[in-house]
Amino acid sequence: EIVMTQSPATLSVSPGERATLSCRASQSVSSNLAWYQQKPGQAPRLLIYGASTRATGIPARFSGSGSGTEFTLTISSLQSEDFAVYYCQQYNNWPTTFGQGTKVEIK
Amino acid sequence: QVQLQESGPGLVKPSQTLSLTCTVSGGSISSGGYYWSWIRQHPGKGLEWIGYIYYSGSTYYNPSLKSRVTISVDTSKNQFSLKLSSVTAADTAVYYCARALRSQYYFDYWGQGTLVTVSS
Repeated sequence: EIVMTQSPATLSVSPGERATLSCRASQSVSSNLAWYQQKPGQAPRLLIYGASTRATGIPARFSGSGSGTEFTLTISSLQSEDFAVYYCQQYNNWPTTFGQGTKVEIK
Repeated sequence: QVQLQESGPGLVKPSQTLSLTCTVSGGSISSGGYYWSWIRQHPGKGLEWIGYIYYSGSTYYNPSLKSRVTISVDTSKNQFSLKLSSVTAADTAVYYCARALRSQYYFDYWGQGTLVTVSS
């Protein structure tokens, strides 16, 4: 099973600032990586798939990069609605696995 | 717009079987191209994939849960279901149903989730 490790566990950012979230895979997952946003009491929402392709309706301030074992989700200018928990998911190998999440909180 | 909705008991006794159903609207399970999946989230924790079913009935389960999991599909009702046997308190979680593309297994549509508590 591929282990996905996200860092940091919590990121404190001021509105309007840039946020950079990391996700590392225990072995290569090529570009088969997705990012999700989850707000309290809600289901996760797909943000990015294929490591860098934004899902339908996702604002351009969200961008993904990386391949192999190292991936990054960048939120260029944090809006109030972006404070949430973010998860990465690899779907290169079975079983698909998720990271433990990064909480983006207001500084 | 595809929508998924979980339903089932919110409380299950230890050693019994947890049963949930996901009703899909806005799209047909029989259309193919998608894996219909179950994912759970323990309170305050991350996400754990349980398994999927294709409209044909083929399944794949997480090895960590495989011995206790059964996922089935009823295309006539546009529903798929989860059964998890011999539950313990460790199975207390929010259970989500979700859709994933068959070609790339990321989840593009999710149900709202349902909390299942295992307690006597």
